[in-house]
Amino acid sequence: AQSVTQLDSQVPVFEEAPVELRCNYSSSVSVYLFWYVQYPNQGLQLLLKYLSGSTLVKGINGFEAEFNKSQTSFHLRKPSVHISDTAEYFCAVSERNFNKFYFGSGTKLNVKP
Amino acid sequence: GAGVSQSPSNKVTEKGKDVELRCDPISGHTALYWYRQSLGQGLEFLIYFQGNSAPDKSGLPSDRFSAERTGGSVSTLTIQRTQQEDSAVYLCASSLDRVPTYGYTFGSGTRLTVV
Repeated sequence: AQSVTQLDSQVPVFEEAPVELRCNYSSSVSVYLFWYVQYPNQGLQLLLKYLSGSTLVKGINGFEAEFNKSQTSFHLRKPSVHISDTAEYFCAVSERNFNKFYFGSGTKLNVKP
Repeated sequence: GAGVSQSPSNKVTEKGKDVELRCDPISGHTALYWYRQSLGQGLEFLIYFQGNSAPDKSGLPSDRFSAERTGGSVSTLTIQRTQQEDSAVYLCASSLDRVPTYGYTFGSGTRLTVV
């Protein structure tokens, strides 16, 4: 089974500053990679995904993530955050032959004015 | 419907009682998943349904937990003799593909509190 590690449980950042949320996974086999966002009292929304091809993927709301196979990482970045980005972010991994996702424990992004 | 619908949105129950949580997936989605989100933890896989195949129950934490999916659509997660450690948000998701290359669509969850 996969193991997904989100090293930072909480990330405080000031508005308009850049942010990086880290995600590492355990398996070296081919995987699909995802980032989900959960706003307060809401369900999870897909932010972006890596399936194949370019290792830099762009998602909604100005977020992007880079797949690094050698480091088994899929870090999420945004060059300038807004107050509205305050939410919890989950990294998820799915092996290509299986049907379930493995989720990290989440990173709470707190954007301060 | 347009999204994944879960009911109730909140449920408070007494320890030892049985509860049923309902999930109505997006129409046409053949795959349906249940996850559990406990306070301060990530999402824990519970069970997966795909079409008419036997469900993958490998994530169910105990035999007090069961789920069914009727007619390939609505699913019900049942927890018998609830315990306080069952308190969590139970999330349902559905997807179009057998291998969810497009990600899941999640419902808003049912927040279960066992007192």
